[in-house]
Amino acid sequence: QVQLQESGPGLVKPSETLSLTCAVSGYSISSGSYWGWVRQSPGKGLEWIGSIYHRGSTYYRGSSYYNPSLMSRVNISVDTSKNQFSLRLTSVTAADTAMYYCARVIRAAAALEVSFYFDYWGQGTLVTVSS
Amino acid sequence: QSVLTQPPSVSAAPGQTVTISCSGSSSNIGNNDVSWYQQLPGTAPRLLIYDSNKRPSGIPDRFSGSKSGTTATLGITGLQTGDEADYFCEAWDDNLGPGGLFGTGTQVTVL
Repeated sequence: QVQLQESGPGLVKPSETLSLTCAVSGYSISSGSYWGWVRQSPGKGLEWIGSIYHRGSTYYRGSSYYNPSLMSRVNISVDTSKNQFSLRLTSVTAADTAMYYCARVIRAAAALEVSFYFDYWGQGTLVTVSS
Repeated sequence: QSVLTQPPSVSAAPGQTVTISCSGSSSNIGNNDVSWYQQLPGTAPRLLIYDSNKRPSGIPDRFSGSKSGTTATLGITGLQTGDEADYFCEAWDDNLGPGGLFGTGTQVTVL
């Protein structure tokens, strides 16, 4: 059974960098899959942040996707030695206050049709941006 | 701007059927597969439907998905009190980066 667990500071000051880690168990990140982050502001809907593909020790630059509204501030990376992946979001504001979820992502393309979904989720971690 | 629009809320009595629509465009639902998620209060989302109409193992067949044109639909039959939750659709959008796009969400209430 694939399990994911987020960790990181629950409070970040405005203009600083939000850093979260997602530990994966029951599945080797090196096996090849997409990994991603989704957030949910209090009382609001889900927002996709970004997803990257990793297999072995290779990061596939061409297979990274980020939400255009966050792209200039976001980076997702993988640490295969620890079987975990991370999110960095720079220059945060109060608008970045949210529950942050990590997830395993399935992305497949047949002809021009793309299948893209999140099959395993972490329990989420609340990050508040405040001074 | 790409948007997947869902009704804010639907309700029905136990045992009845509800359907939730997810309206998009040719850049998302019209051209790509749809997934659906259930989010019980205070918990993480759970995958209910993927590839528009497939259920992961462990998801009851009371949940079903379909797609026609630029609209996807989630159906829940034999409604139970435990189905009270928020439901979100999601699809790849060819214009959003490209990237993933979630629906606005629908709250299901069991009367």
